[in-house]
Amino acid sequence: EAEVAQSPRYKITEKSQAVAFWCDPISGHATLYWYRQILGQGPELLVQFQDESVVDDSQLPKDRFSAERLKGVDSTLKIQPAELGDSAMYLCASSSIYGGTGSYEQYFGPGTRLTVT
Amino acid sequence: SQQGEEDPQALSIQEGENATMNCSYKTSINNLQWYRQNSGRGLVHLILIRSNEREKHSGRLRVTLDTSKKSSSLLITASRAADTASYFCATDSGSRLTFGEGTQLTVNP
Repeated sequence: EAEVAQSPRYKITEKSQAVAFWCDPISGHATLYWYRQILGQGPELLVQFQDESVVDDSQLPKDRFSAERLKGVDSTLKIQPAELGDSAMYLCASSSIYGGTGSYEQYFGPGTRLTVT
Repeated sequence: SQQGEEDPQALSIQEGENATMNCSYKTSINNLQWYRQNSGRGLVHLILIRSNEREKHSGRLRVTLDTSKKSSSLLITASRAADTASYFCATDSGSRLTFGEGTQLTVNP
């Protein structure tokens, strides 16, 4: 069964350093999402891509976070510089149209757990 | 911002019992989805119910939706230890999925 791939699975970095996460969605899924999940909370959307275009980055802290999906396939999320409050799970998900109605389910990768020290 | 609010925050039951989790939300929706997350892992989609549906079944799962009360419930029947996980509702209001804070379900053998 096709899966969303993410790497690395775990990352420890010092504050003020740069960090990057990679995601490879399920083949053929045009929509890709990056979420941040703080321990004990639900995921919060950071950025949504449709093919290579950003369609929603309203919750992305653009002073330090950036995301790209250059060829409309895999994607990279970067944080520079990392802050202590960025410690969280970063989840990537992808989706395609479900049932032809525009409603969709999202397929999640295993996540990258970031610890900033 | 979290639109969905799950209740209870935590639930502990014995294997074989039924588990019911509730979700309330604030704005109108296109559909509502339930996801499961095992500790430290990604989320797995369980079921999607559209705004014009009132009830949906999938195996041991039963989901109801009451748009007049802006609420949904997830029932897991005949629970198993493997059902131990966090369960999240997520509302689709047309632009994005918004997740609640989840219910932590523990099923004791």
